[in-house]
Amino acid sequence: AQTVTQSQPEMSVQEAETVTLSCTYDTSESDYYLFWYKQPPSRQMILVIRQEAYKQQNATENRFSVNFQKAAKSFSLKISDSQLGDAAMYFCAYRDHSGGGADGLTFGKGTHLIIQP
Amino acid sequence: NAGVTQTPKFQVLKTGQSMTLQCAQDMNHEYMSWYRQDPGMGLRLIHYSVGAGITDQGEVPNGYNVSRSTTEDFPLRLLSAAPSQTSVYFCASSYWNGYNEKLFFGSGTQLSVL
Repeated sequence: AQTVTQSQPEMSVQEAETVTLSCTYDTSESDYYLFWYKQPPSRQMILVIRQEAYKQQNATENRFSVNFQKAAKSFSLKISDSQLGDAAMYFCAYRDHSGGGADGLTFGKGTHLIIQP
Repeated sequence: NAGVTQTPKFQVLKTGQSMTLQCAQDMNHEYMSWYRQDPGMGLRLIHYSVGAGITDQGEVPNGYNVSRSTTEDFPLRLLSAAPSQTSVYFCASSYWNGYNEKLFFGSGTQLSVL
């Protein structure tokens, strides 16, 4: 079974600074997807960024980018120019390359990100 | 287009009671799933469905029952509620066209079992 590990239960960063959240995973598959989800206090799950394992290029979405190291099974999220609205729980998630995510996502335990004004 | 709708948003049960958490999506997605989120944990998959009439177990299926009679609805049944089932429950739906996909989550149901 796949596992996802987030080793930082909580991170704190000054507004406008850059912060990196860590994620490692374990799988025997060669083709899979990795995700970062944001969960603010509203409880809504919001997709931040998605990475396909077969793509060498790291995914980026505006201020959010990932460092995907396939051999090391590492998938970190970098948030640049941190804003107060970035404060939330961040979950790293994995799924196999089966159709439609039919067998669901495997989530890490999350990192609570605090933004200091 | 309402997306994924979960009802109720909050529920309190007594041990041994049964209830059904409702989930409906209006996006014609084939794939639907249920997750639970416990404090300090990520989401864990309970059951999932790849289409009407087809369901399968996820990581933590014990104590829960599902059925999928239509594409739109995927209810989750608690047969005899236990305090260990106190959690936040999320329903999700997704599409897959062979190269692209997106998962849509409902807003969650907070369940307390006393």
